[in-house]
Amino acid sequence: DTAVSQTPKYLVTQMGNDKSIKCEQNLGHDTMYWYKQDSKKFLKIMFSYNNKELIINETVPNRFSPKSPDKAHLNLHINSLELGDSAVYFCASSPKVDRVGETQYFGPGTRLLVL
Amino acid sequence: QKEVEQDPGPLSVPEGAIVSLNCTYSNSAFQYFMWYRQYSRKGPELLMYTYSSGNKEDGRFTAQVDKSSKYISLFIRDSQPSDSATYLCATPWASENTGFQKLVFGTGTRLLVSP
Repeated sequence: DTAVSQTPKYLVTQMGNDKSIKCEQNLGHDTMYWYKQDSKKFLKIMFSYNNKELIINETVPNRFSPKSPDKAHLNLHINSLELGDSAVYFCASSPKVDRVGETQYFGPGTRLLVL
Repeated sequence: QKEVEQDPGPLSVPEGAIVSLNCTYSNSAFQYFMWYRQYSRKGPELLMYTYSSGNKEDGRFTAQVDKSSKYISLFIRDSQPSDSATYLCATPWASENTGFQKLVFGTGTRLLVSP
């Protein structure tokens, strides 16, 4: 009965590799997000999708490419991984995009370590 | 300067203490404020949200907003070891690029409640 799930939970890889993280929500929400949380716990939005359409892209390097095959799934592909990409990546979802202060429901996070 | 700032802590208190967690923000146009709680190795979860200045109470938790000072507080009464977590304040704001709502998070304060 997991609401927002992410795979994998841990990812250790070499610099220069390409990797993907998957996210699924079973809450029936319209909107999904990717966040990056750095080592100092600062959580910053990267992307948001509403009904499979990209609506927020927050100055993220184009090595990061999100993809939403349907409104329940949002994946994140990262090309040419760099040391600075090491972080925890959180997926989240919310019911509607146009309600101010809508609660966001977060997944458990994917811990990415680039060596 | 980050738009929403918090002391990273850790803030260590004994069980039963009253805890005060604080947040300052720079944009006087911010109107809604939320507190998210993040347990270690978990995703953030919404604890409380508030719109207006003044206090909002929910059990042992009280959220307080002072818009004149641009200051947000979360008080925890009778703190428990299970309250040990990182507390993130957040505010919804329109993305500069698209106008869609995003959450702007503070840097988080780590709270440790010892038995």
